[in-house]
Amino acid sequence: NAGVTQTPKFRVLKTGQSMTLLCAQDMNHEYMYWYRQDPGMGLRLIHYSVGEGTTAKGEVPDGYNVSRLKKQNFLLGLESAAPSQTSVYFCASRTSGARQETQYFGPGTRLLVL
Amino acid sequence: GQSLEQPSEVTAVEGAIVQINCTYQTSGFYGLSWYQQHDGGAPTFLSYNALDGLEETGRFSSFLSRSDSYGYLLLQELQMKDSASYFCAVRDPSSNTGKLIFGQGTTLQVKP
Repeated sequence: NAGVTQTPKFRVLKTGQSMTLLCAQDMNHEYMYWYRQDPGMGLRLIHYSVGEGTTAKGEVPDGYNVSRLKKQNFLLGLESAAPSQTSVYFCASRTSGARQETQYFGPGTRLLVL
Repeated sequence: GQSLEQPSEVTAVEGAIVQINCTYQTSGFYGLSWYQQHDGGAPTFLSYNALDGLEETGRFSSFLSRSDSYGYLLLQELQMKDSASYFCAVRDPSSNTGKLIFGQGTTLQVKP
């Protein structure tokens, strides 16, 4: 199993550009999450999904949109990137049968917005 | 609201024991979990405490005191590879969907 994978690993954007970050998991997990991590800070939840076709807002959702058209994929979109969105983005997943605190994280996507 | 506090940095020498503390304030509490993150890597789950007391997993142990809203991660026989950031986390009590709230993390530096 590859676990949780993220594409791309690194990206540089100009202010106003758009992009989509892809998260894929091959563990048949129902729950998927998108976090951002900034220097000296913990992980903050952007959006999450409890199953295919569902999404919900997390702690810092503004400026982001998500979609979960397939159970194994969770997409994070930036419609008009801003320098404040420079961050490392982590995707995570877990199965509904597992403890909620046990999440599996992907390797991260480093995004720089100029 | 919910908040967690951890020291920002801890330094220790190889072979020693180090304790990383975490205090939390939350309107509802289920348990305290710990994650490890190496520089440039992904967070990985280490441990979870729902009840008071010490949970041991090899060189790592985690402790919880619900009455004191306090927990810690104990790392024994430190190795260079233990140099990483360690995050405590609690479940958002307003949700049943696994939303986690993380502390700001403690950077552990292990010196030879």
